[in-house]
Amino acid sequence: QKEVEQDPGPLSVPEGAIVSLNCTYSNSAFQYFMWYRQYSRKGPELLMYTYSSGNKEDGRFTAQVDKSSKYISLFIRDSQPSDSATYLCAIGSTGNQFYFGTGTSLTVIP
Amino acid sequence: GAVVSQHPSRVICKSGTSVKIECRSLDFQATTMFWYRQFPKQSLMLMATSNEGSKATYEQGVEKDKFLINHASLTLSTLTVTSAHPEDSSFYICSAYTGAHIYGYTFGSGTRLTVV
Repeated sequence: QKEVEQDPGPLSVPEGAIVSLNCTYSNSAFQYFMWYRQYSRKGPELLMYTYSSGNKEDGRFTAQVDKSSKYISLFIRDSQPSDSATYLCAIGSTGNQFYFGTGTSLTVIP
Repeated sequence: GAVVSQHPSRVICKSGTSVKIECRSLDFQATTMFWYRQFPKQSLMLMATSNEGSKATYEQGVEKDKFLINHASLTLSTLTVTSAHPEDSSFYICSAYTGAHIYGYTFGSGTRLTVV
């Protein structure tokens, strides 16, 4: 069983739609959860970081962690064409051992 | 803060030659850096973990004699692709853990290697 599972998509939505991206994980000890955005031919950039359960909001982006279900989500409201990218989740425990999801490719159609 | 600089961003080399890629942490010290490889439309594949002052740890299936990693200082790790072949053409990305969870892993901008 993989440490982190992420649906690779691709996901295609119209501009303005709400996007939901998800990852599941296997180790209940994980407590650090990150979302990265990667544009084509660029390195991933940190988008959201959350610790433990709960929600965190930053503009149009909301990161949600449900530790009881070992499930994390990234919601994008009012999606824009500029949001078209690959989104990767990264999950880990203390120290620097993190596991990455395979990434979900998102296209927002104008 | 927490910037990782990677150079070059793009390189074309002839088959049989070696190519060196540099990864620098600009505003923090990174005792550990990571090297990834990414094929088109695929996710990151961890190649090796680079530890300052010691030998790198390679993932299964990665040839350590082909992908030489040197982590000579707390701010610099290099990946040298030796005797490059066309199948080594890929996107190589480094990252470092900043030590602060709020920044998490910081990635370099990647190097597009094309072997002709």
